[in-house]
Amino acid sequence: GAVVSQHPSRVICKSGTSVKIECRSLDFQATTMFWYRQFPKKSLMLMATSNEGSKATYEQGVEKDKFLINHASLTLSTLTVTSAHPEDSSFYICSASSGGLDQPQHFGDGTRLSIL
Amino acid sequence: AQSVTQLDSQVPVFEEAPVELRCNYSSSVSVYLFWYVQYPNQGLQLLLKYLSGSTLVESINGFEAEFNKSQTSFHLRKPSVHISDTAEYFCAVSVIGSNDYKLSFGAGTTVTVRA
Repeated sequence: GAVVSQHPSRVICKSGTSVKIECRSLDFQATTMFWYRQFPKKSLMLMATSNEGSKATYEQGVEKDKFLINHASLTLSTLTVTSAHPEDSSFYICSASSGGLDQPQHFGDGTRLSIL
Repeated sequence: AQSVTQLDSQVPVFEEAPVELRCNYSSSVSVYLFWYVQYPNQGLQLLLKYLSGSTLVESINGFEAEFNKSQTSFHLRKPSVHISDTAEYFCAVSVIGSNDYKLSFGAGTTVTVRA
């Protein structure tokens, strides 16, 4: 089945640093990738939709200069949290679409980001 | 726009007892329906889906869900749970015919199975 790899699984860093999270589709080409943020005991909040070769579409309230998304190839999208602060600490999950409406998205295992 | 309501935020259940997780949706257009499971510190895994045909769908690990169009529901059930079923469960919908592949999620239901 379709596999999405997300790296790193966990990162701890100091306030003010930038953190890059990678999302790769391992066995299919993903024209569309999604980035979610999940707070403890909460549902997934869609942050942005990423299409290969074009600018990401951000959801209302998500700062595009804070959360930089790059989708340079059909198998890789990256999310960079710039100048991270403690309030950016969260669980970030990516997903990728293989183009099948019967299973719109395949999810990565998430990245636990902790900003000290 | 679509919305998904999961009526139970937390469901404690004893091992080998049955469980039902309720999901209702609202949409002005036809949708596909999904249940996802999330184990601690992991991403989401597709549990089962309803696309068309038989309104009762089953997963390989004993879960089943029934699509009820008149009640706009897609409740998830398992007749006998295991400790390993402890997880977060999300109901989701996607619009049939949409090319954006977006999912609308419910708030999730935490299932805790106790011995």
